Amino acid sequence: EPEVTQTPSHQVTQMGQEVILRCVPISNHLYFYWYRQILGQKVEFLVSFYNNEISEKSEIFDDQFSVERPDGSNFTLKIRSTKLEDSAMYFCASSLLNEQFFGPGTRLTVL
Amino acid sequence: SQQGEEDPQALSIQEGENATMNCSYKTSINNLQWYRQNSGRGLVHLILIRSNEREKHSGRLRVTLDTSKKSSSLLITASRAADTASYFCASEYGQNFVFGPGTRLSVLP
Repeated sequence: EPEVTQTPSHQVTQMGQEVILRCVPISNHLYFYWYRQILGQKVEFLVSFYNNEISEKSEIFDDQFSVERPDGSNFTLKIRSTKLEDSAMYFCASSLLNEQFFGPGTRLTVL
Repeated sequence: SQQGEEDPQALSIQEGENATMNCSYKTSINNLQWYRQNSGRGLVHLILIRSNEREKHSGRLRVTLDTSKKSSSLLITASRAADTASYFCASEYGQNFVFGPGTRLSVLP
């Protein structure tokens, strides 16, 4: 059964460093998403991506965030200069129509 | 209050009992979906109910949707210890979701 994969499963970084979180969506899906979940809190929408451009983003997704689909299979989330409060689980999701399929997440720890 | 609120926030039951979790939302939706999350793990899709549907079943899961009250419920029948997890509702607007804070379900053996 096709699934969304994410790498790495855990990323530890120093405050101020850049991180790139990687996702491989399900191959025939058209819509791609990033969400984050701060420990113990609810899942929050960050950004959606369709037809090689951002279709919607939340207020969380500020200038330090960017997304890219560089090669038709990967979908990446870049955080330019990490802050302590960026520590969270980051989930990628993809969909063809309504149902979003989530990856297992990347746990980002900013020290 | 926020879009996609679940209640209760935490629920503890004995194995074999039924568990009911509720979710409310604010504005009109395309559909509503329920997800399960084991501690520290990813989100697993459980069931999708469209705005024109009132009830949906999947195995031991039953989801209802009341668009007049802007609420949904997830019922897990004959619960098992393995059902212990957090359960989130996600209301869909266009292509994006708003998740509720989740209900932490503990099923005690």
